[in-house]
Amino acid sequence: GENVEQHPSTLSVQEGDSAVIKCTYSDSASNYFPWYKQELGKRPQLIIDIRSNVGEKKDQRIAVTLNKTAKHFSLHITETQPEDSAVYFCAASRSSGSARQLTFGSGTQLTVLP
Amino acid sequence: DAGITQSPRHKVTETGTPVTLRCHQTENHRYMYWYRQDPGHGLRLIHYSYGVKDTDKGEVSDGYSVSRSKTEDFLLTLESATSSQTSVYFCAISDGGSTDTQYFGPGTRLTVL
Repeated sequence: GENVEQHPSTLSVQEGDSAVIKCTYSDSASNYFPWYKQELGKRPQLIIDIRSNVGEKKDQRIAVTLNKTAKHFSLHITETQPEDSAVYFCAASRSSGSARQLTFGSGTQLTVLP
Repeated sequence: DAGITQSPRHKVTETGTPVTLRCHQTENHRYMYWYRQDPGHGLRLIHYSYGVKDTDKGEVSDGYSVSRSKTEDFLLTLESATSSQTSVYFCAISDGGSTDTQYFGPGTRLTVL
């Protein structure tokens, strides 16, 4: 089955700096890669996703890049703000003909220091 | 937030007792999922459903069963709870089709003593 490794497990940055979180996956057939943000005590919420036919996707201060050859994808947050502090999870899945079975990374605790 | 509720939100139970968690959606989405979240493990898929009475196992299904008798409800049952099943349980839904986004419910914190 799929295996997703996520690094780093914790990340502290100064407000205004950029943050990068990296994930690698094992199943070359995976074709959908979402990123979720989870604030303390809250539910995970999708912030951005990318499919295997696209190399990069941006949404304001957030971008995701995908390297299919190397089987890794990364989340980039620019101009970080204190409200970006949360746990971020990457995930990967392949089309199975029915439901998408997401395999999640173990999470990155991002702290943005004022 | 998508129309997803989970009940109960918190539960404390004893080892060996049966427990049922409920996920209810008002979005008429076809797919429903149960995950557990533990420190250091992210979210792991327990079971999922692709329609009424259609379910399948996920990565960590041992000790769990599910049922879906209506589109809007997906039940997760621990037949005989163990301390290793202490966790936060999240339900998720997705529409499939042109979008694969999974929307999560608020979660249920389960403690097995």
